[in-house]
Amino acid sequence: DQQVKQNSPSLSVQEGRISILNCDYTNSMFDYFLWYKKYPAEGPTFLISISSIKDKNEDGRFTVFLNKSAKHLSLHIVPSQPGDSAVYFCAASGEGDMRFGAGTRLTVKP
Amino acid sequence: GAVVSQHPSWVICKSGTSVKIECRSLDFQATTMFWYRQFPKQSLMLMATSNEGSKATYEQGVEKDKFLINHASLTLSTLTVTSAHPEDSSFYICSARGAVYEQYFGPGTRLTVT
Repeated sequence: DQQVKQNSPSLSVQEGRISILNCDYTNSMFDYFLWYKKYPAEGPTFLISISSIKDKNEDGRFTVFLNKSAKHLSLHIVPSQPGDSAVYFCAASGEGDMRFGAGTRLTVKP
Repeated sequence: GAVVSQHPSWVICKSGTSVKIECRSLDFQATTMFWYRQFPKQSLMLMATSNEGSKATYEQGVEKDKFLINHASLTLSTLTVTSAHPEDSSFYICSARGAVYEQYFGPGTRLTVT
């Protein structure tokens, strides 16, 4: 039962442009959402989060948007940099546990 | 941010043997620790959740007798893969959560069973 879905397995963007990664969830009990960045053979690192009481959270080049009615969140990276190339996981949390999406591999081309 | 370590970072073992993976929160007390497994090009799969001093809660489909989890202190959780088989080969990642909501992940352990 995939409660968190990232439908795009990969995304390629040019350096300096905007990267938009999308995530959908099905469980209305989720109330906290996070994005993690992961390099090969390493554990995920926390990037940015958003509570369900907000619809936007910004941290430098990273902005997360939450649309509760659509059960959709997105991560915007602008401007994208080659060092942003990694796999990005969205995660949703509620009632103590956390579920991850399948990940989107972002490639930022110089 | 908070630091979580895992040991070993990689291990090779023979079929039928057991291997223990340690997860430590280095600068905070982790009331809850999670163990994940990641197959190549797939998402993180939650295996179990453990709270300090109590038995772990396993996800459906995860054999609790095969993947033994111990969370004996607020800074240490261990995952023991018993009677390992080649299909247990994977990347195992732990995470820890303390007073704050975010989970902090360890660097992962690559297990190869020959």
